[in-house]
Amino acid sequence: DIQMTQSPSTLSASVGDRVTVTCRASQSISSWLAWYQQKPGKAPKLLIYQGSRLETGVPSRFSGSGSGTEFTLTISSLQPDDFATYYCQQYSNYPYTFGQGTNLGI
Amino acid sequence: EVQLAESGGGLVKPGGSLRLSCTVSGFTFSTFSFNWVRQAPGKGLEWVSSISGSGTYINYADSVKGRFTMSRDNAKNSLYLQMNSLRAEDTAVYYCARDYGTGWHEPFDYWGQGTLVTVSS
Repeated sequence: DIQMTQSPSTLSASVGDRVTVTCRASQSISSWLAWYQQKPGKAPKLLIYQGSRLETGVPSRFSGSGSGTEFTLTISSLQPDDFATYYCQQYSNYPYTFGQGTNLGI
Repeated sequence: EVQLAESGGGLVKPGGSLRLSCTVSGFTFSTFSFNWVRQAPGKGLEWVSSISGSGTYINYADSVKGRFTMSRDNAKNSLYLQMNSLRAEDTAVYYCARDYGTGWHEPFDYWGQGTLVTVSS
């Protein structure tokens, strides 16, 4: 199975900050990497797919980069609505696997 | 409007069974593959199972293989997850989620609201 390791697990930031979350795969997954945002009590929301493609309707302050085994999610200027938990997911091989999550708080 | 709605969750004793359903609307159901993803209380996301549009190809996580069966009824726009031999560690919110597109490698773009399964004596 492909292991996905996110860092950091917890991140404290302020409105207007630029933040970066890293996701590492235990083997190459090409660009088959997605990022999701989840708020308490809600389903995850797709933000980024294929490593760097922005899902329709997602603000442009979100961006993704990387390929192979190392990927990053960047939020260029944090907004109050962005405080949530973020997960990466590989969909290269079954079983699909998620990172453990990054809890972004104030 | 695309909508996915899970049902069938509840409290079940260890060793028991439960059948989850996911009813879908707003698009051509049979075109897309679907997935079940679960989240234990306070924990992260875990992919459980996937099924192709025709129902021919089904994959399972090792943690549920041999105990859970995923199926679909394209005439009813519905997905199912039959869960047998349930364990305490199966306690989670179960989400159904649609593949983004119809290719081989797809993320999940639409999710249901989730249904809670609690396995406890």
